[in-house]
Amino acid sequence: EVQLVESGGGLVKPGGSLRLSCAVSGFTFINYNMNWVRQAPGKGLEWVSAISTGGGDRYYAESVKGRFIISRDNVKNSLYLQMNSLRVEDTAVYYCARGGGDPAPEEDFDYWGQGTLVTVSS
Amino acid sequence: DIQMTQSPSTLSASVGDRVTITCRASQSVSSWLAWYQQRPGRAPNLLIYKASSLETGVPSRFSGSASGTEFTLTISSLQPDDFATYYCQQYNSYPYTFGQGTKLDLK
Repeated sequence: EVQLVESGGGLVKPGGSLRLSCAVSGFTFINYNMNWVRQAPGKGLEWVSAISTGGGDRYYAESVKGRFIISRDNVKNSLYLQMNSLRVEDTAVYYCARGGGDPAPEEDFDYWGQGTLVTVSS
Repeated sequence: DIQMTQSPSTLSASVGDRVTITCRASQSVSSWLAWYQQRPGRAPNLLIYKASSLETGVPSRFSGSASGTEFTLTISSLQPDDFATYYCQQYNSYPYTFGQGTKLDLK
């Protein structure tokens, strides 16, 4: 059974940092691109960042570029999001989601975690 | 960036109705378009990928179609479980972008 489990969310002050993790099981992690998607309270979905299978290619939404860093550990089957210089508008539920890979090359997000809430407030 | 415009924002319907949600891309995304369903407090769930391919396990009352940069999600006969919010997403190019969502509620 495919499982993605996020952790690391919490309350942080503006300007602070937080590191999210996503532990993956049930598929060959190294074979898939991975993504972070967020959802502010009562709002829609916003794609945040993506990383390729080997970690060599990373992509970011303009809203987080220069502040967030996506990474992965293919030995620990884990995805990470280092969030720095946090702003009130970064408050959201953060989901990790599986992208394309082998044997499912489509880049749609076919598996999602349950999400972890990040609240940025003074 | 590619903008995805969904309509309507809210749709009121009854069990058994046929409903259609539209998503328009600001430029070509080829067929790299997905539809997701999200229930309150839950993660999104993939329904349709590559514009018209039904994800495994998704009921056949859901279907997707495309014409140029306009995409539609159709639910042929609404069931009680279908009252939720629906999002389209393009994955043709980064940054991947979502539509603003369509909330389907009970009339």
